[in-house]
Amino acid sequence: NAGVMQNPRHLVRRRGQEARLRCSPMKGHSHVYWYRQLPEEGLKFMVYLQKENIIDESGMPKERFSAEFPKEGPSILRIQQVVRGDSAAYFCASSDRTGNNSPLHFGNGTRLTVT
Amino acid sequence: AQKVTQAQTEISVVEKEDVTLDCVYETRDTTYYLFWYKQPPSGELVFLIRRNSFDEQNEISGRYSWNFQKSTSSFNFTITASQVVDSAVYFCALSEGLSSGSARQLTFGSGTQLTVLP
Repeated sequence: NAGVMQNPRHLVRRRGQEARLRCSPMKGHSHVYWYRQLPEEGLKFMVYLQKENIIDESGMPKERFSAEFPKEGPSILRIQQVVRGDSAAYFCASSDRTGNNSPLHFGNGTRLTVT
Repeated sequence: AQKVTQAQTEISVVEKEDVTLDCVYETRDTTYYLFWYKQPPSGELVFLIRRNSFDEQNEISGRYSWNFQKSTSSFNFTITASQVVDSAVYFCALSEGLSSGSARQLTFGSGTQLTVLP
């Protein structure tokens, strides 16, 4: 009964490179949420996806960031042309339905370092 | 707009002391959920509790207890007889709305760093 799986655990990229972060939700969950935690701060919502659909991307930066959750495979958070300010921990959470009836369970996060 | 305030940035206690972490929230909704998460030094987020806005009953789980008071918009967390392993950052979070179709974004507080000294 695996929980939310994120990989890689740590990712180092040079400025200008692309970062791809992967998230596999808990078994049976079809809703995925991405959050970002900047150093010394709380988590901030980025995007909410269901299979093949972006439901709410109000927390996503307008440029360079994109997310997808294909019919098959994990959800991907993609950051193009990374800058030092993108260095953060990125957490993924999943739930089995909308509404507030199920707690959000988080993965262990991906720590992105941009050098 | 929703907001969660954790005024205590850092707290240090000596082992076996009791400690209370404060959480104050703001929301226009009458229906909402409140959460507490623990983030140990290893970095993962551990779910501790969820409470809905209709249930003001306090809850106790082992050494942990939660005091939810709608009148003061507070959801405080107490650890009794603290242990070194309780050292972590603790986040309070709020999720508005219960209707299906509403995105379940969590609004997090900035966290309280708890250090329990031996």
